[in-house]
Amino acid sequence: DGGITQSPKYLFRKEGQNVTLSCEQNLNHDAMYWYRQDPGQGLRLIYYSQIVNDFQKGDIAEGYSVSREKKESFPLTVTSAQKNPTAFYLCASSMLGAYGYTFGSGTRLTVV
Amino acid sequence: GESVGLHLPTLSVQEGDNSIINCAYSNSASDYFIWYKQESGKGPQFIIDIRSNMDKRQGQRVTVLLNKTVKHLSLQIAATQPGDSAVYFCAENSHSGGGADGLTFGKGTHLIIQP
Repeated sequence: DGGITQSPKYLFRKEGQNVTLSCEQNLNHDAMYWYRQDPGQGLRLIYYSQIVNDFQKGDIAEGYSVSREKKESFPLTVTSAQKNPTAFYLCASSMLGAYGYTFGSGTRLTVV
Repeated sequence: GESVGLHLPTLSVQEGDNSIINCAYSNSASDYFIWYKQESGKGPQFIIDIRSNMDKRQGQRVTVLLNKTVKHLSLQIAATQPGDSAVYFCAENSHSGGGADGLTFGKGTHLIIQP
């Protein structure tokens, strides 16, 4: 079945560490996105990519980095520069020009 | 700035009753709206969408109404069931030429179904 997979489901980070969240899709979607969700808040866009080897900053890109070396994969690195990284991270994908995003099941990141 | 928001953070309804979840948007240029359902610990799932050239769209047990005059969007769920318990988000994209520059999401309404 086609879908979008995020891993791990839960992730713990020590202060000062970088961690990478995985996002893989087999939907043949061109565009991929990373959102951050905090309790009681809507989704905020971190980064998005419309094509391989290209990506754009969203509203809250500071402290995060991404890569898009393959169409299927869009990993997100939460760097030590992100001072408040504890949140639920959602990856999504869509066909280029389409607004009906398919979301992964999310990664919950906690700083310990 | 532009925003998409919901009137109530929590809505509690009796099982079998109809639910109405509301959303206000401020960007009059918005031309596409989506409702998503998010169950606890999961990613959002698409429910229904509507374009700005429509006032109403129906799906299975769900109806979305769009009032462009007052920039208001609502999601109606008929005969609510326990499985409808979730957080519901509206989202808009007022950008033309594609959705890759991101949807703007509201903060969500938590729908609670009382037995």
